[in-house]
Amino acid sequence: DTEVTQTPKHLVMGMTNKKSLKCEQHMGHRAMYWYKQKAKKPPELMFVYSYEKLSINESVPSRFSPECPNSSLLNLHLHALQPEDSALYLCASSQVSKSARLETQYFGPGTRLLVL
Amino acid sequence: AQKVTQAQTEISVVEKEDVTLDCVYETRDTTYYLFWYKQPPSGELVFLIRRNSFDEQNEISGRYSWNFQKSTSSFNFTITASQVVDSAVYFCALSEDQTDSWGKLQFGAGTQVVVTP
Repeated sequence: DTEVTQTPKHLVMGMTNKKSLKCEQHMGHRAMYWYKQKAKKPPELMFVYSYEKLSINESVPSRFSPECPNSSLLNLHLHALQPEDSALYLCASSQVSKSARLETQYFGPGTRLLVL
Repeated sequence: AQKVTQAQTEISVVEKEDVTLDCVYETRDTTYYLFWYKQPPSGELVFLIRRNSFDEQNEISGRYSWNFQKSTSSFNFTITASQVVDSAVYFCALSEDQTDSWGKLQFGAGTQVVVTP
């Protein structure tokens, strides 16, 4: 089973709202990722968690706050977003190999976010 | 600098035609991985294949085949006898075996494939 689930599928929020995106996997993967994808563009990496610790932050604005409460869950807390933050937010997970080489990332269906 | 180039923005074919998607990559690493993902209109990125730099064997999986050539830094993807369900954006991606790039998939711009009946 290579399933990564994400909720909600769609989200509309105002610039003053606080919301959270959720991602879950039960494949025993110990690395989880958040990507942002604008229309007609490739996904852009935002954050990487490895063994529940933040290992990569791609200089993402602080209005995006990731959280990894356990090895199966990954959240992305949103606060004071801007209209340009409207995008598809994808979660992915992968194994972590001992040599730190990249394993295959398996993606969820994404959350389509619209900021008004 | 762009490390993965997918020069074809969009390819339109009629059902049952073959379609080949080009991917050219750039890396100084001797160890790296190449991937192809499919993104249908629903949005989910579907993993298709992973290839490491030491394995130049071509691969066939059903109607899909991949041609990996290190000499030209290319990893091309062919869909044989295309079907409407193949309509999607296809991304080629590179992962390099460097500690500071761990976890980073470097995607090409993607190629939109449109298959009409």
